[in-house]
Amino acid sequence: DTGVSQDPRHKITKRGQNVTFRCDPISEHNRLYWYRQTLGQGPEFLTYFQNEAQLEKSRLLSDRFSAERPKGSFSTLEIQRTEQGDSAMYLCASSLPRAGPNEQYFGPGTRLTVT
Amino acid sequence: QKEVEQDPGPLSVPEGAIVSLNCTYSNSAFQYFMWYRQYSRKGPELLMYTYSSGNKEDGRFTAQVDKSSKYISLFIRDSQPSDSATYLCATYGSSNTGKLIFGQGTTLQVKP
Repeated sequence: DTGVSQDPRHKITKRGQNVTFRCDPISEHNRLYWYRQTLGQGPEFLTYFQNEAQLEKSRLLSDRFSAERPKGSFSTLEIQRTEQGDSAMYLCASSLPRAGPNEQYFGPGTRLTVT
Repeated sequence: QKEVEQDPGPLSVPEGAIVSLNCTYSNSAFQYFMWYRQYSRKGPELLMYTYSSGNKEDGRFTAQVDKSSKYISLFIRDSQPSDSATYLCATYGSSNTGKLIFGQGTTLQVKP
């Protein structure tokens, strides 16, 4: 399968616990994005990597959130001390760097439920 | 005001109908516009994109941009039950990172 993959697909955790999600982009894509989507809303941008460098972070990304992309391959998104408001679908997308349309391809998402 | 506005619906049509999905945007600097389809509990799937004003056709789908009115549309001809999904319009933000700004999504149901 050559698409974007995410793991786990579902995560249920108790408030206050830490969780970590993984994203494997399409192999030749060096741009990687994380978005968050709540029920009935479109995805909202969280952060962006070009290769291993994290170049932009949204104000939505509080201090409890951290993302990494070691060696410019897979990426992880960690949420510390989870809150009920963190319950959402976390989506990863990747794209090639080029002039023109930035066609982003999304993974299936990780659905987080904080109880 | 949100940068991209989209009527959430739901929109229900009979099979074979022509569907019109619409978005408005606020920033005249936006140039690329995407349409994504998202099935329930799945990630968004890129359908097509358009640049600046004009039309683009791909099979039963036509995307249209009117920059003068900051209005983008997706038309689906001969709609099928398999088209039942949420349709998201998106455009670029003002940064150079290419981060997408999405509308709320319109839920479409095509009844057999």
